[in-house]
Amino acid sequence: AQSVAQPEDQVNVAEGNPLTVKCTYSVSGNPYLFWYVQYPNRGLQFLLKYITGDNLVKGSYGFEAEFNKSQTSFHLKKPSALVSDSALYFCAVRVLSGGYNKLIFGAGTRLAVHP
Amino acid sequence: GAVVSQHPSWVICKSGTSVKIECRSLDFQATTMFWYRQFPKQSLMLMATSNEGSKATYEQGVEKDKFLINHASLTLSTLTVTSAHPEDSSFYICSARFAAIGETQYFGPGTRLLVL
Repeated sequence: AQSVAQPEDQVNVAEGNPLTVKCTYSVSGNPYLFWYVQYPNRGLQFLLKYITGDNLVKGSYGFEAEFNKSQTSFHLKKPSALVSDSALYFCAVRVLSGGYNKLIFGAGTRLAVHP
Repeated sequence: GAVVSQHPSWVICKSGTSVKIECRSLDFQATTMFWYRQFPKQSLMLMATSNEGSKATYEQGVEKDKFLINHASLTLSTLTVTSAHPEDSSFYICSARFAAIGETQYFGPGTRLLVL
């Protein structure tokens, strides 16, 4: 079955420290992978995506993600966390189902950055 | 980036009434729009996919007659929750995609529905 897993419900990190939010996937074919962020009572904001090309993808707000085919992972990273990065982060993978491309989302990881 | 709006941002209604939620792509023409539902502290659940001018494709377990979706133009899709009941209370989020600009879906800010 095609799926996305975010193994951590919550990640805590001190401001200024590097952060990693983990994501692994299981899909057939080449994966299209996405990271979105959600602030309270808001929709999702697009951060970055991997379609093809360099395994290290740079996105919005200083975030980046590394695609690792052998480990089927697409972990989100940032060198220096900010308190304002505290939010809910979703990893997603595109799948083809019923003739349509659609996204399957992970369960989400809550990132808490402490001053 | 592409902007998607939703209206209303929140709505309270009585049980048995119908509620319409609008989703608009403001600066691009969306060939495909998606409707999601999100329960507290949970991930997004895809309800349906709609392409402009054609009938929506509903996910398994989603009642077509309860959640009416209309995608009348390339910039507007509506979700109508018919005869709403308290269990329909949720956060509804739409997204839009324009194939020519890639696979990325751009999300609206969401609509919180509370059915009393």
